[in-house]
Amino acid sequence: DAGITQSPRHKVTETGTPVTLRCHQTENHRYMYWYRQDPGHGLRLIHYSYGVKDTDKGEVSDGYSVSRSKTEDFLLTLESATSSQTSVYFCASQGDGETQYFGPGTRLLVL
Amino acid sequence: GQQLNQSPQSMFIQEGEDVSMNCTSSSIFNTWLWYKQDPGEGPVLLIALYKAGELTSNGRLTAQFGITRKDSFLNISASIPSDVGIYFCAGQRTSGTYKYIFGTGTRLKVLA
Repeated sequence: DAGITQSPRHKVTETGTPVTLRCHQTENHRYMYWYRQDPGHGLRLIHYSYGVKDTDKGEVSDGYSVSRSKTEDFLLTLESATSSQTSVYFCASQGDGETQYFGPGTRLLVL
Repeated sequence: GQQLNQSPQSMFIQEGEDVSMNCTSSSIFNTWLWYKQDPGEGPVLLIALYKAGELTSNGRLTAQFGITRKDSFLNISASIPSDVGIYFCAGQRTSGTYKYIFGTGTRLKVLA
């Protein structure tokens, strides 16, 4: 499996505060993704990146932004957290072998 | 957003039994992946399939890339308690479209 880490692993925050989640991979993978996982919805793509500074929106991007200044790091920011953004967030990376590897997840609770 | 149809949604089985689950779509896929997710963990890749008709094994797990390229199957033989978890399929529609579409998951519970 690819070396993918996420930080923090757990976070509790209040509505209206900004939150940044970090994904770090050590495999030099070109593609990186942020998903959220909610009961009954499976994995839904928030944003993805196809290279440094190259990002695009997924199916549930409203309220989220991303940045990728280095190959190994992909940041997800909730500009002003809402209770509907309480979820488990997964980062994934993918190299030219086309298989996608996931991080351990971040549990976010917005009060 | 689009998701793959995965069935069954959940299943209880007795230890030692074989398990079958599948993933279907109206679209053609070039790659199929199968993942397992344990509680509180991220999905872990089990098997990758790249060619229609391909049959690939990983221990007690066997997956097949359907001939029509619109479906894939995962079988687990002689299930054990640690097989408990959620199994996800993922499909990639074309080689140039690197994003994957995920199934809704099959929750497996094994009764000892």
